Amino acid sequence: QAVVTQEPSLTVSPGGTVTLTCGSSAETVTSVHYPYWFQQKPGQAPRTLIYDTDNKHSWTPARFSGSLLGGKAALTLSGAQPEDEADYFCLISHGGTRVFGGGTKLTVL
Amino acid sequence: EVQLVESGGGLVKPGGSLRLSCAASGFTFSDAWMLWVRQPPGMGLEWIGRIISKVHGGAIDYAAPVKGRFTISRDDSKNMLYLQMNSLRTEDTAVYYCIAIRDLGYWGQGTLVTVSS
Repeated sequence: QAVVTQEPSLTVSPGGTVTLTCGSSAETVTSVHYPYWFQQKPGQAPRTLIYDTDNKHSWTPARFSGSLLGGKAALTLSGAQPEDEADYFCLISHGGTRVFGGGTKLTVL
Repeated sequence: EVQLVESGGGLVKPGGSLRLSCAASGFTFSDAWMLWVRQPPGMGLEWIGRIISKVHGGAIDYAAPVKGRFTISRDDSKNMLYLQMNSLRTEDTAVYYCIAIRDLGYWGQGTLVTVSS
């Protein structure tokens, strides 16, 4: 089974920009892996931010965007807010199965 | 209002069984592709399996650690998703979530399963 890797932790200044990435040990991540991004705050269930690489839900703040970058899926946060401090998980498809990344703990400081 | 409400969690001994339910409302459940995902205490998310809508073929896939022990099913007439868990192990201890995936993106609040003697 492929291993999906994310940065364990990142820090961004309020108002700053940060990019989280999601790579696969098996192959280059492309749109056929249908990358998803989820946000989880302490004590809460996760919520979906991005589906199928770059599609947002109605509740996804405009400052979040999804893309493919350097063979990985990427989540870019432009104009970070204190409430964006959370864990972020990616999920990618490998055939009939899906694999989560280990998550990135994002600190806004 | 969209809701996904999991139930059926609890304490079970190793080797035991449990059936989780996920009640869906507020969207067209029969069209939804559904996932089960779990999160062990203090850890990350783990994909368990998915069931595709019947109109798209109804295929079911499982992650390797649960294949042969867990069974996903759905009852579109009742807007219900199920996860039958057999031969439970201590490492199955986690909060279990149901998710309506793709363009829906809805999560339930989770139900805790504790496998311990």
